[in-house]
Amino acid sequence: AQSVAQPEDQVNVAEGNPLTVKCTYSVSGNPYLFWYVQYPNRGLQFLLKYITGDNLVKGSYGFEAEFNKSQTSFHLKKPSALVSDSALYFCAVRDLGGFKTIFGAGTRLFVKA
Amino acid sequence: EPEVTQTPSHQVTQMGQEVILRCVPISNHLYFYWYRQILGQKVEFLVSFYNNEISEKSEIFDDQFSVERPDGSNFTLKIRSTKLEDSAMYFCASRRESTDTQYFGPGTRLTVL
Repeated sequence: AQSVAQPEDQVNVAEGNPLTVKCTYSVSGNPYLFWYVQYPNRGLQFLLKYITGDNLVKGSYGFEAEFNKSQTSFHLKKPSALVSDSALYFCAVRDLGGFKTIFGAGTRLFVKA
Repeated sequence: EPEVTQTPSHQVTQMGQEVILRCVPISNHLYFYWYRQILGQKVEFLVSFYNNEISEKSEIFDDQFSVERPDGSNFTLKIRSTKLEDSAMYFCASRRESTDTQYFGPGTRLTVL
């Protein structure tokens, strides 16, 4: 069965420091992997995706994610965090042959000034 | 930039009543989805819709739920007889045929009393 795990409920980081939000996945076949961000009272906004190709994927707002097949991970990173990055981040996976997308439980990111 | 829109933003209903949640997907998108997010929990897939029929549905999407595309622009989710546990944020999403990126609406908060 497909699944996504985000092991941290919350990540705290100081503004200007690098941030990492972790995600691991389990899926049969090759995965389509996504990161979405949710601001308060808003819908999910697409950040980036990995389908194939270069393991380092660059996305919106300076975020990037590294696909690691051997560790089945797709961690979200940013070299220098901003206070405005504070939000709820969801990792998601879609199996190549399916329609549905499975979301992780979400990780709340707090960036302190 | 085109967006997915949803109405109403908040719906309050009595247990046992029928509700219809409305979505207007992005105009050239062909795949449509409903997800829900119970407060504090993960985003859960409900159903996907393509070519005027359900392409996939989850275990949550039982006989109480139905979807419809009544005209060329709207995509609706109907809950026939609401239960307390249907209280959640319901998100609509859509995507083009040529990409796997889903674009989400702002959500409808359903409160069942």
